[in-house]
Amino acid sequence: DAGITQSPRYKITETGRQVTLMCHQTWSHSYMFWYRQDLGHGLRLIYYSAAADITDKGEVPDGYVVSRSKTENFPLTLESATRSQTSVYFCASSESALRSEETQYFGPGTRLLVL
Amino acid sequence: GQSLEQPSEVTAVEGAIVQINCTYQTSGFYGLSWYQQHDGGAPTFLSYNALDGLEETGRFSSFLSRSDSYGYLLLQELQMKDSASYFCAVETSGSARQLTFGSGTQLTVLP
Repeated sequence: DAGITQSPRYKITETGRQVTLMCHQTWSHSYMFWYRQDLGHGLRLIYYSAAADITDKGEVPDGYVVSRSKTENFPLTLESATRSQTSVYFCASSESALRSEETQYFGPGTRLLVL
Repeated sequence: GQSLEQPSEVTAVEGAIVQINCTYQTSGFYGLSWYQQHDGGAPTFLSYNALDGLEETGRFSSFLSRSDSYGYLLLQELQMKDSASYFCAVETSGSARQLTFGSGTQLTVLP
């Protein structure tokens, strides 16, 4: 399907385990982003990528690792999951063209529970 | 860093007009965006202002005053389906298209 997809949609894991959340977009957007959204709060940027092999930290990067070997994929890995990482994770992408567009397209989210 | 303030909740009746305010403190401000999020759903883009003034998109309008570090989202002819959370988000220059989001305003539209 065209657009931006995330997998899995729901994940339950245990403290200390490694977890990878997948994000795939079909628009060939240059920019991709990972956010977390905690209950009743706004979105906080974890990592972003301006192009393949270019990534940078956002507001809350600790405990997370990203990679971007292909333009369309931007996986997020929790190296050793902690309960504080229980959250809803959203992936987003945007074009690299006009700043006036300023539209980020969000995936459906992954709901992660760390026990 | 950046900080944004918006009301946590707003309630209005169907057919009415509601305004959701957003004030921000940031350095290197570039633009203010608005996103809508229904319960359990993905945020969706509504509007964007880089310059002072009003931007209109159908029933939704967004306003920005850079000198006052203030913006608002105006929703007209409210419908039940407009019940959702609304987030303002700022982009700062040199931040490679990073957005910093407010905590969101939960809009409840009553019949």
